[in-house]
Amino acid sequence: EIVMTQSPATLSVSPGERATLSCRASQSVTSNLAWYQQKPGQAPRLLIYGASTRATGIPARFSGSGSGTEFTLTISSLQSEDFAVYYCQQYDNWPPLTFGGGTKVEIK
Amino acid sequence: QVQVVESGGGVVQPGRSLRLSCAASGFSFRSYVMHWVRQAPGKGLEWVSLISYNGGNEYYADSVKGRFTISRDNSKNTLYLQMNSLRAEDTAVYYCARDSSSLGNFDSWGQGTLVTVSS
Repeated sequence: EIVMTQSPATLSVSPGERATLSCRASQSVTSNLAWYQQKPGQAPRLLIYGASTRATGIPARFSGSGSGTEFTLTISSLQSEDFAVYYCQQYDNWPPLTFGGGTKVEIK
Repeated sequence: QVQVVESGGGVVQPGRSLRLSCAASGFSFRSYVMHWVRQAPGKGLEWVSLISYNGGNEYYADSVKGRFTISRDNSKNTLYLQMNSLRAEDTAVYYCARDSSSLGNFDSWGQGTLVTVSS
């Protein structure tokens, strides 16, 4: 099973600032990596797949990068609606499909 | 628009069974792989199961293998999860999710249905 590790667990950022979230895989997942956003009481929403491709309707301020075992989600200028929990997920080697533990982006 | 709506959650005693349903609309259900993903209260996301387009292939997380069964009825645009021998650790919100074209990630999610296993 591929273990996904996200850091930091909590990120405090001021509105308008850049946020950088990290995700590490226990073995290579090539570019088969997705990012999701989840707000309280809501279902997750797909942001990024293929490590760097934005899903339909996702604003350009969200960008993904990386390959192999190291990945980054960057939010270039945080808006109020971006404060949420973010999860990475690998789909290179399954079953099982596995998620990271999440990074909570909170208002500083 | 794409919509998936889960139902069937509730409170159940340990060892009992429950069946979840997921009604799909707004897309060609028979053309998509479908998943169940769960989230224990205050915890992260855990993939539970996947079923292929025609139901011919199923995959499960080790934590539910042998107890849960995924199925689908393409004539009714509905996905199911039969959960047997339920345990306290199965308590979670269960989400139905549509697979994307990339196979293995989830591009549309339902609102979830809460399953509570408690005596």
